[in-house]
Amino acid sequence: DADVTQTPRNRITKTGKRIMLECSQTKGHDRMYWYRQDPGLGLRLIYYSFDVKDINKGEISDGYSVSRQAQAKFSLSLESAIPNQTALYFCATSDLESLYNEQFFGPGTRLTVL
Amino acid sequence: AQTVTQSQPEMSVQEAETVTLSCTYDTSESNYYLFWYKQPPSRQMILVIRQEAYKQQNATENRFSVNFQKAAKSFSLKISDSQLGDTAMYFCAFMKGVSQGNLIFGKGTKLSVKP
Repeated sequence: DADVTQTPRNRITKTGKRIMLECSQTKGHDRMYWYRQDPGLGLRLIYYSFDVKDINKGEISDGYSVSRQAQAKFSLSLESAIPNQTALYFCATSDLESLYNEQFFGPGTRLTVL
Repeated sequence: AQTVTQSQPEMSVQEAETVTLSCTYDTSESNYYLFWYKQPPSRQMILVIRQEAYKQQNATENRFSVNFQKAAKSFSLKISDSQLGDTAMYFCAFMKGVSQGNLIFGKGTKLSVKP
């Protein structure tokens, strides 16, 4: 089984709809992240959480919110989706105790907003 | 603010040959971490190699190695004996420190390995 899972894997929605992307991990890591990938722009950080009670905005948090329901779960919400939020969304985890704090990524969610 | 630049949007290499992907970054930090990630057509992000700025020795992982030039703020990736499975997008990423955690990515280089 995958260590970091994301649901759904693909989603098509309409402008104005509320949508939630979910991330779960079995790696036991304390840190979790949400990134967005657009063609030609690489990945950009939306939000990150270092533990259940710690939530931080990233580079592009406007229009998004997150919830850390448990150590293993970190959800990303789009309150009112708009077409320019069409992108590939990645969840990642890392372990503070690791030497490099390297991040491990989920398989991604492709979101299309019509 | 830190920035990461990958100046080669696309590259190609013949199978079994060697290719080098370029990455430069801008930071005023003295210690930091650098990574190369691979994203094949399956879109999964896979960690290829990592380097800590305090370590002068270049990191190697099997056919993958880096040329880390701290003064020049350069972190290139060399792939030896290229294989068809190396075809992917490659992203260079910077992390300011372990306590910071969040990665700053370059825009990527699309590598095609030709038979």
